Amino acid sequence: GAVVSQHPSWVICKSGTSVKIECRSLDFQATTMFWYRQFPKQSLMLMATSNEGSKATYEQGVEKDKFLINHASLTLSTLTVTSAHPEDSSFYICSAPPDRERSPLHFGNGTRLTVT
Amino acid sequence: GENVEQHPSTLSVQEGDSAVIKCTYSDSASNYFPWYKQELGKGPQLIIDIRSNVGEKKDQRIAVTLNKTAKHFSLHITETQPEDSAVYFCAASAPGNQFYFGTGTSLTVIP
Repeated sequence: GAVVSQHPSWVICKSGTSVKIECRSLDFQATTMFWYRQFPKQSLMLMATSNEGSKATYEQGVEKDKFLINHASLTLSTLTVTSAHPEDSSFYICSAPPDRERSPLHFGNGTRLTVT
Repeated sequence: GENVEQHPSTLSVQEGDSAVIKCTYSDSASNYFPWYKQELGKGPQLIIDIRSNVGEKKDQRIAVTLNKTAKHFSLHITETQPEDSAVYFCAASAPGNQFYFGTGTSLTVIP
């Protein structure tokens, strides 16, 4: 099955710095990737959809300038949290879309971001 | 928009007992319903799914039922084991290859 690799699995950074999270599709090509944010004991919240070769599509209420998304190739999408603040601390998860109709998302293993 | 409700939010069962988690959805266009298991600090993993042309599907100790008329679908875990302890999410398909997720059920299996 499709494998999505996400790195790092956890990161601690200081306020004001930027953090990059990578999401790679290992055995398939993905023209889009979904980025989610998950607060403790809550469900997944879709933040944005990255599109290979074009701009990402952000969900309402998500700051484009804070959460920079780039989809540089058919196997790599990145999320950069810029000028991080403690309230950005969260669990971030990427996923590749289904490879055909009525099939599941393929999730990465998530990144725990802690901003001190 | 689509709304997926999931109950209960927490569930504790004795090892060997069964666990049932229920979800309802509102969009009649949804035609695919996966269930995910998420362990602490990890991404969600697909455990079973069901398509709208099927009423029930079983995979060893896990089964899912779907009632399209009532817009209900449920996850059934039999002979629960401590390693079944995790958060479980239901989901319903949405336009654009996306999904709407339930709010999650934290399952604890007591040895």
